[in-house]
Amino acid sequence: AQTVTQSQPEMSVQEAETVTLSCTYDTSESDYYLFWYKQPPSRQMILVIRQEAYKQQNATENRFSVNFQKAAKSFSLKISDSQLGDAAMYFCAYRSAMGTYKYIFGTGTRLKVLA
Amino acid sequence: DAGVIQSPRHEVTEMGQEVTLRCKPISGHNSLFWYRQTMMRGLELLIYFNNNVPIDDSGMPEDRFSAKMPNASFSTLKIQPSEPRDSAVYFCASSLTVPVGETQYFGPGTRLLVL
Repeated sequence: AQTVTQSQPEMSVQEAETVTLSCTYDTSESDYYLFWYKQPPSRQMILVIRQEAYKQQNATENRFSVNFQKAAKSFSLKISDSQLGDAAMYFCAYRSAMGTYKYIFGTGTRLKVLA
Repeated sequence: DAGVIQSPRHEVTEMGQEVTLRCKPISGHNSLFWYRQTMMRGLELLIYFNNNVPIDDSGMPEDRFSAKMPNASFSTLKIQPSEPRDSAVYFCASSLTVPVGETQYFGPGTRLLVL
């Protein structure tokens, strides 16, 4: 069975600085999708970025980018020029490209942004 | 599109009462997911439907929980009888199954407190 691990329960970053959140996963599949979701204090889960495993190029969305290392089964999220509004819980998620429709979520990393 | 709609947003009830949570997925989405989030257990998948059919309900905690999807635009999660340990935020999410890997979109959640 697939698993997703976020080993950093909490991270802090100074405003305008860069921070990287870690995510590793375990799977025997070769084709899958990876996601980062943000959950601010409002509790709304918001998609930040997604990555297709078959693509070698790392996904980028404005200040958010990923470092996808397929062989290492690593999928880290880099937030550049951190803003106070980036403070939230961040969840990494995995979805198989076949069979199950299930998304597997990590336990989350709480990001604090210091002014 | 209005996004995934959940009601009520907040529910306070007494132990033993029946609770019904409602969800309207994004129009055209054919997969629907119910999650529960607590501090202790994180984000747990309770059940998911594909084309209105329950595919995997292995996450449903016990017989007190039941979920239905009578049509493509409506789903309910019912707890009867409710217990204090059911207090949590319940999320509904929807996605397309084709193309594979489509993003899952979350509703705002229902915050349930059982006294």
